[in-house]
Amino acid sequence: QKEVEQNSGPLSVPEGAIASLNCTYSDRGSQSFFWYRQYSGKSPELIMFIYSNGDKEDGRFTAQLNKASQYVSLLIRDSQPSDSATYLCAGFSGTYKYIFGTGTRLKVLA
Amino acid sequence: GAGVSQSPRYKVAKRGQDVALRCDPISGHVSLFWYQQALGQGPEFLTYFQNEAQLDKSGLPSDRFFAERPEGSVSTLKIQRTQQEDSAVYLCASSPHRDQLNYGYTFGSGTRLTVV
Repeated sequence: QKEVEQNSGPLSVPEGAIASLNCTYSDRGSQSFFWYRQYSGKSPELIMFIYSNGDKEDGRFTAQLNKASQYVSLLIRDSQPSDSATYLCAGFSGTYKYIFGTGTRLKVLA
Repeated sequence: GAGVSQSPRYKVAKRGQDVALRCDPISGHVSLFWYQQALGQGPEFLTYFQNEAQLDKSGLPSDRFFAERPEGSVSTLKIQRTQQEDSAVYLCASSPHRDQLNYGYTFGSGTRLTVV
């Protein structure tokens, strides 16, 4: 079993809707979680990270962490076609080694 | 430069050939990482340097893979006797921090290696 699991998608949402991307992890010792966006053929780009239970908001993005349920999510409000990409969830093993999920492909339909 | 620079962007190697992939981290960044990303997968950790010291090479798939960072800046990932299963994008990342938990790090644009 992979340590970080994501649904590969594609997740299709209409323009202007909320996109909800989910991730579960198996290592209860994981302390912080990161969301990366990766456009096709490009490198991963850090969107935001979270290490406390609850919500963290940054512009149109909200990350949510529930350590009891070992669940991380990313909400994208007012989705735009330019948000269409693969979203990678990552936890840390230790203090420097990312463990990535396989990514969820998001399609925002104009 | 402003970001992590990797070269070449694309490399086609014949099976059995040796290749060398270069990473120029952001100036002054002490931590440097190499990841391998196969098609349709998330990146997987290969190795980690703090300055010139290779602190973790647990992710290197075999003894055909070797990485170095002799002066604590530029790093090279070398793959000997390439095999088809080595085909992937090789990502380099750097960070000014020793502990990444609350920061994350910045990836370069990657080198796409195709072994034919």
